[in-house]
Amino acid sequence: DTGVSQDPRHKITKRGQNVTFRCDPISEHNRLYWYRQTLGQGPEFLTYFQNEAQLEKSRLLSDRFSAERPKGSFSTLEIQRTEQGDSAMYLCASSLSRAEETQYFGPGTRLLVL
Amino acid sequence: QKEVEQDPGPLSVPEGAIVSLNCTYSNSAFQYFMWYRQYSRKGPELLMYTYSSGNKEDGRFTAQVDKSSKYISLFIRDSQPSDSATYLCAMAGNTDKLIFGTGTRLQVFP
Repeated sequence: DTGVSQDPRHKITKRGQNVTFRCDPISEHNRLYWYRQTLGQGPEFLTYFQNEAQLEKSRLLSDRFSAERPKGSFSTLEIQRTEQGDSAMYLCASSLSRAEETQYFGPGTRLLVL
Repeated sequence: QKEVEQDPGPLSVPEGAIVSLNCTYSNSAFQYFMWYRQYSRKGPELLMYTYSSGNKEDGRFTAQVDKSSKYISLFIRDSQPSDSATYLCAMAGNTDKLIFGTGTRLQVFP
């Protein structure tokens, strides 16, 4: 499978715990995006990377959230001290280097915070 | 007011019907327009991509963009039960982030 992959697909955690998600983009794609989707809503932009550089962060990305793409390949999204409001689907997408290139999404990681 | 408005539905149609899905937007800087299909508990799948105004056709799907009215549409001809999903419109302008509508849930019954 040469598409965007995400791991884990599902995560259940208790409030206050830290969680980390991984995204592997399509191999030749330089841009990598994170979105969050709650029930009945469209995805909302969180942040994106051009290679290893994080170029934009949404105000939705509180200081409990951190994203990295250390070698310009895979990316991780960590949520510290999870809250029930963090329960959502976390989606990763990738695209070629040009801004106008379309974004291809992975299957998402569904997070449930109890 | 949201930047992108989309009727959440649900929209229920018989098999074989022509389906029309629409979004309106407020940001005149949007230049790139996309339609994604999302099955339950899956990631969005790109269906159509259009730059600026005009029509684009791909099989049973036709995307239309009217920038003067800030209105985009997706038409599905000869709809099938397998088309039952949520359809998300998405747009981008000068930045790289996509702005999505809420999605329209479509059900095609046999």
